[in-house]
Amino acid sequence: NAGVTQTPKFQVLKTGQSMTLQCAQDMNHEYMSWYRQDPGMGLRLIHYSVGAGITDQGEVPNGYNVSRSTTEDFPLRLLSAAPSQTSVYFCASSYSILAGGADTQYFGPGTRLTVL
Amino acid sequence: SQQGEEDPQALSIQEGENATMNCSYKTSINNLQWYRQNSGRGLVHLILIRSNEREKHSGRLRVTLDTSKKSSSLLITASRAADTASYFCATDFQGAQKLVFGQGTRLTINP
Repeated sequence: NAGVTQTPKFQVLKTGQSMTLQCAQDMNHEYMSWYRQDPGMGLRLIHYSVGAGITDQGEVPNGYNVSRSTTEDFPLRLLSAAPSQTSVYFCASSYSILAGGADTQYFGPGTRLTVL
Repeated sequence: SQQGEEDPQALSIQEGENATMNCSYKTSINNLQWYRQNSGRGLVHLILIRSNEREKHSGRLRVTLDTSKKSSSLLITASRAADTASYFCATDFQGAQKLVFGQGTRLTINP
């Protein structure tokens, strides 16, 4: 199994550009989520999904969109990049968050995004 | 605001000593988890403890949970240089379908 994969590893954008960060998992996990991590900080939840076709907002959703058309993929779209979105983005997945609480999260290697 | 808050923010000890990190949270939870992050890498799961458990062990790691005080601690015994990393607690609070992380404790093990 490849686990959780993220592409690209690095990205530089100009203010106002849009792009999509890709996340895929091959473990048949129902729950997927996106976090951002700023220097010296913890992870802040952007969006999450409890299954295909179901998404919801986390702590910092503004400026980001998500969709979940398949169990495997959970792309994160930056609509109009701003310097404040410079960060490291992590995607994570787990079996389920519905029954008995959150399970072990498997993290991707991250995407380092710089917005100029 | 973030659900879990770690304390201390940074900890520096000598190799072989024990390291203790604490996590406090605000609302009732289902589970609490601890993760490790080596510099620039993704997070790696260490231990999951359920709200009806009080203590859990995994190798040199011991986690305790006190739901009455809404707090947890992670103890690393006989520390090694390879334990140098940031450690995060994460909670999923009852009634919500999301996992929220604290700001982490940065642990440095000095040789």
